[in-house]
Amino acid sequence: EIVMTQSPATLSVSPGERATLSCRASQSVSSSLAWYQQKPGQAPRLLIYGASTRATGIPARFSGSGSGTEFTLTISSLQSEDFAVYYCQQYNNWPPLTFGGGTKVEIK
Amino acid sequence: QVQLVQSGAEVKKPGASVKVSCKASGYTFTNYGISWVRQAPGQGLEWMGWISPYNGNTNYAPNLQDRVTMTTDTSTSTAYMELRSLRSGDTAVYYCARTAAARGRCDYWGQGTLVTVSS
Repeated sequence: EIVMTQSPATLSVSPGERATLSCRASQSVSSSLAWYQQKPGQAPRLLIYGASTRATGIPARFSGSGSGTEFTLTISSLQSEDFAVYYCQQYNNWPPLTFGGGTKVEIK
Repeated sequence: QVQLVQSGAEVKKPGASVKVSCKASGYTFTNYGISWVRQAPGQGLEWMGWISPYNGNTNYAPNLQDRVTMTTDTSTSTAYMELRSLRSGDTAVYYCARTAAARGRCDYWGQGTLVTVSS
């Protein structure tokens, strides 16, 4: 099973600032990496797949990069609606699909 | 538009079973698999398994393999997840998510179903 590790667990950012979230895989997942956003009381929403492709309707301020074992989600200028928990997930070698533990982006 | 609509909240006693439904619309049901993902209170996402509505093939998480069964009804475009021998640690929100076999990403999600296990 591929273990996904996200850091930091919590990121405190001011509105308008850049946020950089990290995700590491225990072995290479190529570019088979997705990012999800989850707000309180809501289901997760797909943001990024293929490590860097934005899903339908996702604003351009969200960008993903990386391949192999190291990945980054960048939110270029945080808006109020972006404060949420973000999860990475690998789908290169499954089953099982595996998620990271999440990064909470909170208002500084 | 793609929609996954799940059944309502459930309260069960330890040792009982629960069956959660997920009705799909807005796409050809047999063209995409369905994953089930759960989230315990305040915790992260845990993948439970996946089913292909096309041929009924399933993959289950090893830690749930002996207690979970996933099925589909193609006549109603509905997926089901049954979890048996419930324990307090199964208290969680259960989500279904559309997941193509060849891609593995969960592109549309149901609204979630809260299952509470309590004596």
